[in-house]
Amino acid sequence: KAGVTQTPRYLIKTRGQQVTLSCSPISGHRSVSWYQQTPGQGLQFLFEYFSETQRNKGNFPGRFSGRQFSNSRSEMNVSTLELGDSALYLCASSLSSGGLSTDTQYFGPGTRLTVL
Amino acid sequence: DAKTTQPPSMDCAEGRAANLPCNHSTISGNEYVYWYRQIHSQGPQYIIHGLKNNETNEMASLIITEDRKSSTLILPHATLRDTAVYYCIVRVGNYGGSQGNLIFGKGTKLSVKP
Repeated sequence: KAGVTQTPRYLIKTRGQQVTLSCSPISGHRSVSWYQQTPGQGLQFLFEYFSETQRNKGNFPGRFSGRQFSNSRSEMNVSTLELGDSALYLCASSLSSGGLSTDTQYFGPGTRLTVL
Repeated sequence: DAKTTQPPSMDCAEGRAANLPCNHSTISGNEYVYWYRQIHSQGPQYIIHGLKNNETNEMASLIITEDRKSSTLILPHATLRDTAVYYCIVRVGNYGGSQGNLIFGKGTKLSVKP
């Protein structure tokens, strides 16, 4: 089975621009979560989507948004980029099959965003 | 905040067992212990998880104390490729609802030396 894929892998933008990152989960997985990793703050949760609905949201400003499509693929968008948005953005998918579940999250390779 | 405490760094000789400790003294009865590792600039890789019993898979073994307040991840024969940051995370099991986010601490940087 193919793993989680993220595109693009690297991205350079300038302040004020917006960016869209894409994530394709493992086939059959229904839940997608997004994380931001920076040297200063470490790995931080952004949001989680399941069945095209946001179920959980971390403590990030409204400039960070996301969505999920009917095929479970997800995108996240960052508007009005700031220098501090430079980070590795990671996507993770899980089966989320219902019932008592400790569905394991499997991570993609990440998208490295640099804001100049 | 992360609910786990790990040493910031550890060294291990290649071919020897690497034993990575984790304290989670406030763990609740329905919280699982998860381990991930992250090799430089890659996405975190799932290793193993457990609730009460010891667990083993092809990558590692997880030993959880009887009171569940601490655990140890064991890599039985460490190789240079096991050099990574290892994260211990406690996470509640959910009944089909939100899976909940993973709260990462700073982890343990394991250096495997030849």
